[in-house]
Amino acid sequence: GENVEQHPSTLSVQEGDSAVIKCTYSDSASNYFPWYKQELGKRPQLIIDIRSNVGEKKDQRIAVTLNKTAKHFSLHITETQPEDSAVYFCAANGGTSYGKLTFGQGTILTVHP
Amino acid sequence: DAGITQSPRHKVTETGTPVTLRCHQTENHRYMYWYRQDPGHGLRLIHYSYGVKDTDKGEVSDGYSVSRSKTEDFLLTLESATSSQTSVYFCAISESPHNTGELFFGEGSRLTVL
Repeated sequence: GENVEQHPSTLSVQEGDSAVIKCTYSDSASNYFPWYKQELGKRPQLIIDIRSNVGEKKDQRIAVTLNKTAKHFSLHITETQPEDSAVYFCAANGGTSYGKLTFGQGTILTVHP
Repeated sequence: DAGITQSPRHKVTETGTPVTLRCHQTENHRYMYWYRQDPGHGLRLIHYSYGVKDTDKGEVSDGYSVSRSKTEDFLLTLESATSSQTSVYFCAISESPHNTGELFFGEGSRLTVL
């Protein structure tokens, strides 16, 4: 089955800096790569996703890049704000339906004012 | 937020007892999922359903069973709870996982098995 590795496990930045979280996947059949944000004590929520036919996608301050050859994808957050502090999860679908996801271990992002 | 409610939200039980978690949705979405969340493991798929009475196993299905007799309800049962099943359980729904992809999660159910 699919295996997703996520790094770093914790990330601390100053407000206004950029943050980058990286994930690698093992199954070359994966074609859907979402990112979820989970605030403390809350449910995970989708913030951005990318499909394998696209190399990069942006939505305001967040962007995701995908390198299919190397089997890795990354989340980029620019101009970080304290409200970006949360746990971020990457995931891949292993080539199956988009709902059957294998998640990474999570990255705790802390943005210091 | 999507109309998903989980019950109970918190439960403490003893090893060997049966436990049932309920997920109820008001969105009429066809697809429903149960994930568990543990530190260092992210979220892992337990079981999923693609319609009434249609269910299948996920990555960590051992020790769990599910049932879906109505579109709106998806039940997760631990027949004989073990300490390794102490976790936070999230139900999720999706409208069309072959197109849109987005999972809408419930608020989670925290289960402690003593």
